[in-house]
Amino acid sequence: QIQLQESGPGLVKPSETLSLICTVSRGSVTSYYWSWIRQPPGKGLEWIGCLYNSGSTNYNPSLESRVTISVDTSKNQFSLRLNSVTAADTAVYYCAGAAYYYYYAMDVWGQGTTVTVSS
Amino acid sequence: EILLTQSPGTLSLSPGERATLSCRASQSVSSHSLAWYQQKPGQAPRLLIYGAFSRATGIPDTFSGSGSGTDFTLTISRLEPEDSAVYYCQQYGSSPQWTFGQGTKVEIK
Repeated sequence: QIQLQESGPGLVKPSETLSLICTVSRGSVTSYYWSWIRQPPGKGLEWIGCLYNSGSTNYNPSLESRVTISVDTSKNQFSLRLNSVTAADTAVYYCAGAAYYYYYAMDVWGQGTTVTVSS
Repeated sequence: EILLTQSPGTLSLSPGERATLSCRASQSVSSHSLAWYQQKPGQAPRLLIYGAFSRATGIPDTFSGSGSGTDFTLTISRLEPEDSAVYYCQQYGSSPQWTFGQGTKVEIK
């Protein structure tokens, strides 16, 4: 069973860049469609963007101008960068994987990491 | 962009009762693209149903999905205390992209 683990700073200053890494274990980073999802406190889930076919990306149009998702196959990791953050970017950030045999539903999730944007 | 609207916002039922959760899409979607998730406080979402009808590995048969076109339903046939959670529907688009509904909170009395 593939396992995911998010890592990165829990506190980011306004206007700076949020950077998170998702490490894939017991599987290959090339085998799934990988996404980042976030959940502001007390609110619902928002898809941020995805990495697929070992390097292609697609992003939520509402965040596209500030988001970059990339892969490091040598480390079996993929990463999220979100520029020019504000308090509205405070959330729990999850990485998740979707496979074709689940019709690309997300069957693998990390535990989530809390990121607070504050000076 | 497809929007997903879930209803009701909150469902309060007793153990053993049947829960019916609705997810309506703003335009017709493929049944293959519709999934349901369960999220308990402090936990990541867990996949329950994919392809509108199919249960994910390890999901009990008290959970079932149905629907087509714009209207989809998650049914919990006999509620247990551990079913208290927020339930989200999700649609996968071929860009690829994913959209979540706003969630339905199920409370067990």
